[in-house]
Amino acid sequence: DAGVIQSPRHEVTEMGQEVTLRCKPISGHDYLFWYRQTMMRGLELLIYFNNNVPIDDSGMPEDRFSAKMPNASFSTLKIQPSEPRDSAVYFCASSPPGLAVSWGEQFFGPGTRLTVL
Amino acid sequence: GQQVMQIPQYQHVQEGEDFTTYCNSSTTLSNIQWYKQRPGGHPVFLIQLVKSGEVKKQKRLTFQFGEAKKNSSLHITATQTTDVGTYFCAGPGGNDYKLSFGAGTTVTVRA
Repeated sequence: DAGVIQSPRHEVTEMGQEVTLRCKPISGHDYLFWYRQTMMRGLELLIYFNNNVPIDDSGMPEDRFSAKMPNASFSTLKIQPSEPRDSAVYFCASSPPGLAVSWGEQFFGPGTRLTVL
Repeated sequence: GQQVMQIPQYQHVQEGEDFTTYCNSSTTLSNIQWYKQRPGGHPVFLIQLVKSGEVKKQKRLTFQFGEAKKNSSLHITATQTTDVGTYFCAGPGGNDYKLSFGAGTTVTVRA
């Protein structure tokens, strides 16, 4: 299994530009998560999907951020327009179906390091 | 949402020594997970604890879930350079499948 795949691995862009991050979860995993990691705020959950449907987007910082999951094997996180404070490592993770009282382990992708100048 | 606190934030360890990192919650946790992130890498799942007082071992790593299910610890014996990284605990974030990660304990090892 190739694991969770993210692209690009590194992105450098200028303020105001649109940024699209991509994720391919592990086949058979029903849950997909987008996280942001910074030194100041640590690992933050932005949004997660179950069976391609957004379940909780309360972590999305503002309207400039949007996420979609058009099918079970692909998700995007878009920032438009980007700002320097969006600079961070963005991780995608997927998880298989778990028991009702036990959350399944999350498998993280390698991350996309975003730098907004 | 649920918050888990980790201490210490940094741990500098002499190779061969033992150390412990702690995770605390103000409310009861149904379960807790531990992850390790190597420098420049991504978080990797280590273990999940579900039962009160549960203790699980992985080679030199010992994980414990408190009796009240409000705290957890990770103890590493005979630290090696391969133990370098940040260790995160994560607890349920208040609803289905949402995890709340602690700030992590970053471990460095002196050879």
